[in-house]
Amino acid sequence: GAGVSQSPRYKVAKRGQDVALRCDPISGHVSLFWYQQALGQGPEFLTYFQNEAQLDKSGLPSDRFFAERPEGSVSTLKIQRTQQEDSAVYLCASSLGSRPGQGLGDYGYTFGSGTRLTVV
Amino acid sequence: TQLLEQSPQFLSIQEGENLTVYCNSSSVFSSLQWYRQEPGEGPVLLVTVVTGGEVKKLKRLTFQFGDARKDSSLHITAAQPGDTGLYLCAGTRNTGTASKLFGTGTRLQVTL
Repeated sequence: GAGVSQSPRYKVAKRGQDVALRCDPISGHVSLFWYQQALGQGPEFLTYFQNEAQLDKSGLPSDRFFAERPEGSVSTLKIQRTQQEDSAVYLCASSLGSRPGQGLGDYGYTFGSGTRLTVV
Repeated sequence: TQLLEQSPQFLSIQEGENLTVYCNSSSVFSSLQWYRQEPGEGPVLLVTVVTGGEVKKLKRLTFQFGDARKDSSLHITAAQPGDTGLYLCAGTRNTGTASKLFGTGTRLQVTL
C-alpha cells in the first residue's frame, strides 16, 4: 500500500480484556517496528521484526505483550489482560532497511497513524 | 528511560519569529533524525543527519548534528502556523540495534 495502515484507530478495552492491534506496512519494507507513545511523550520502542523474524523484543513491558509477523508482512501486537497503564497510542513503523552498519544506510521510519488504546 | 532530552518542552510563538529546538544526550549516535507529529497522526520524517558537524537545510528548517554526534539542533526561520506540531529527535545508537531512541519532544505552537 501507499502508507502504513493501522487498525483499529481507537480501541476501548475493559481492564482484563485481551486486545489485538494490526499493522499493515508498506509493501516491500523489510523492517517493522512497534512503539508505545504516552500522551505528550516521545515514542518508546517495543519490538522489531526483520521480515518474519522478531529480532528484538527488549522493549515489551511484560509477558502480557506479544507480537508476531508470521509472513513477513502484516504484524499484530497482542496485549493480554489489559491494565490501565497500557493506555497509550501504539505506533507501527516500517522501513526499507535492516540494521545500521550493514551497509544499507539508516533508513527513516514511515509511521502509521497509530491505535489509541484506552483501558477502563 | 528517555536518554534524549529535548528543550524547550513547549514553545508558543507568533508567526514570523525564529526558534531553535535542542536535542541532547550523553550517548553517541551513528545517526539522528528529526520528525514532526501532528495530533492523531504518526511522526513524519523530516531529515536524517549522519556526520558529526553536518548541517542540512529543508526550506526554512536548518538541522545540525553536533561534532561529537551526541546532540542536534533544529532552527526554524520565520515560523508559520503550518509548523505547529510535536517535534521529535530520534537517535540510532552504535550498539547494533535497529531501534531508535526518541527524544522527549518539543511541542511548538505558531499563532497568527
